[in-house]
Amino acid sequence: EPEVTQTPSHQVTQMGQEVILRCVPISNHLYFYWYRQILGQKVEFLVSFYNNEISEKSEIFDDQFSVERPDGSNFTLKIRSTKLEDSAMYFCASSPDRGRVNEQFFGPGTRLTVL
Amino acid sequence: GDSVTQMEGPVTLSEEAFLTINCTYTATGYPSLFWYVQYPGEGLQLLLKATKADDKGSNKGFEATYRKETTSFHLEKGSVQVSDSAVYFCALSDLYGGSQGNLIFGKGTKLSVKP
Repeated sequence: EPEVTQTPSHQVTQMGQEVILRCVPISNHLYFYWYRQILGQKVEFLVSFYNNEISEKSEIFDDQFSVERPDGSNFTLKIRSTKLEDSAMYFCASSPDRGRVNEQFFGPGTRLTVL
Repeated sequence: GDSVTQMEGPVTLSEEAFLTINCTYTATGYPSLFWYVQYPGEGLQLLLKATKADDKGSNKGFEATYRKETTSFHLEKGSVQVSDSAVYFCALSDLYGGSQGNLIFGKGTKLSVKP
């Protein structure tokens, strides 16, 4: 069964450093998402991406964040200058369409630790 | 804006006990409703879904019914197993309403089942 994959599973970085989190969505899906989950809190929407551009973004997704689909398979989230409060689990998701149902398939997540 | 409220955990049950996890929602449109499950060390997996009023989603012995009149989507299972120990998230997608199709999650409820 096709699945969303994410790398790395755990990333440790120093405050102020740039990080890139990578995702490979399911191959025939068209819509891509990033969510994050700070430890012990709810899963929060960051950004959605379709047709090589951002569809929507939340208030969390400020100028420090960017997304890219550099080739036909990868979908990346870049944090330009990490802060302590960026420490969280980051989930990538993809969906085949954006109808009413909008069933999204999630990857296993990347745990980002900012020291 | 749209929101999801689910009962706080943790919930601890003995094997074969009956499970109910309450979930209520607020939405400006007509959302689709989901339950996701997160097993220890893993990502989010879709457990079940319902897209319109009175629909019942079911999977692996879990059920939830979309109740528009009470804006609820409570998760139930008649007889839990140790392997059901996980964190359960209620979520909605409101394509033509507040969430614009992105998933809005509750805080999650941690379930522990003892043998």
